[in-house]
Amino acid sequence: GNSVTQMEGPVTLSEEAFLTINCTYTATGYPSLFWYVQYPGEGLQLLLKATKADDKGSNKGFEATYRKETTSFHLEKGSVQVSDSAVYFCALIGGSNYKLTFGKGTLLTVNP
Amino acid sequence: KAGVTQTPRYLIKTRGQQVTLSCSPISGHRSVSWYQQTPGQGLQFLFEYFSETQRNKGNFPGRFSGRQFSNSRSEMNVSTLELGDSALYLCASSLGDRQGYTFGSGTRLTVV
Repeated sequence: GNSVTQMEGPVTLSEEAFLTINCTYTATGYPSLFWYVQYPGEGLQLLLKATKADDKGSNKGFEATYRKETTSFHLEKGSVQVSDSAVYFCALIGGSNYKLTFGKGTLLTVNP
Repeated sequence: KAGVTQTPRYLIKTRGQQVTLSCSPISGHRSVSWYQQTPGQGLQFLFEYFSETQRNKGNFPGRFSGRQFSNSRSEMNVSTLELGDSALYLCASSLGDRQGYTFGSGTRLTVV
């Protein structure tokens, strides 16, 4: 079946530091890949997505590239802000179903 | 346009009772999915409905059920509540393809 593995946190960075959160996946065929973000007390917000190999998703300074050869979709941001503090989830939709399969989430804390 | 609306936001129930949660999807979205989020198990898929038909189902006991109405609104029911059912229940809607889901803010269920 489908699965997503992402680096476990928590990750603590200083403002303006570079961020990488690793995500690898197992799926049949060509899944669609997503990063969602969850702020305290809220639901999930779609941060970015990529639906085919070599696509780069980007939003609010965050980027991730769909790498079929390494089955990865790492999240990066060049300069994090305090307001980026949240839990980040890597997810995919793949195979013959339409459900999202999530990683366990990575808690990011950015200090001023 | 309006987002995904879940009601109620918070709920406290007693063991053995049943509960119904409601979800109104984004206008035009025909797919509605439900997820359970707990600190221990993370995000787990419950079921997905498309045009009033259950298209996918997760590995939850039969006490968890759902339905979708002709206007795409969905309800989820949990009968004979157990303490372990305490969780954040998230609803998400989409057009029914693999382009990703938009989530609501969730219903926080506490079973005492």
